[in-house]
Amino acid sequence: DTGVSQDPRHKITKRGQNVTFRCDPISEHNRLYWYRQTLGQGPEFLTYFQNEAQLEKSRLLSDRFSAERPKGSFSTLEIQRTEQGDSAMYLCASSADRGWDQPQHFGDGTRLSIL
Amino acid sequence: SQQGEEDPQALSIQEGENATMNCSYKTSINNLQWYRQNSGRGLVHLILIRSNEREKHSGRLRVTLDTSKKSSSLLITASRAADTASYFCATGRGAQKLVFGQGTRLTINP
Repeated sequence: DTGVSQDPRHKITKRGQNVTFRCDPISEHNRLYWYRQTLGQGPEFLTYFQNEAQLEKSRLLSDRFSAERPKGSFSTLEIQRTEQGDSAMYLCASSADRGWDQPQHFGDGTRLSIL
Repeated sequence: SQQGEEDPQALSIQEGENATMNCSYKTSINNLQWYRQNSGRGLVHLILIRSNEREKHSGRLRVTLDTSKKSSSLLITASRAADTASYFCATGRGAQKLVFGQGTRLTINP
């Protein structure tokens, strides 16, 4: 169990640029989640995958955001035309598909800073 | 939107003392989970309590759940400097999203 891996750990970009983050979940986990966390707040849910199917999206996920999990393994989160308000920590989590009461295992996140 | 509210928002105690954090939530839940987050890191799962359970223990951690009051508490006994972190409660409904509170920042003074 190598844990959830996220890349990059830090991303600094200019407003208006596109950015893409990658998440590699724990290998046997079918469920994958993306959250966003701003300073001093708890994480907020963005989207959820069961294998390759994206089953839920938050209204926080505007049309500038897109997430994929093409083969049911790793996932990418892309933000197009970044804005100042996109500055945050983007967290990925995964969990096993064994009923409702499974803990989520988090990566260390990608910290995005928009100049 | 954040469902849970933790209380207090910040707590500072001496090493060896007990720390108690409270969490309230608004809607029905399947389970309630507590997570720890060290500065600049991801969240680490501590304990999960199901809606039909009232109390659960794990090492120095004790969690209670009162579904009639929609509240939970996390007790850390015999605190250590390494317990310094932010603590979040999160409510779960089904297999999907967790809804987190704003967290309690715990500082353990040596």
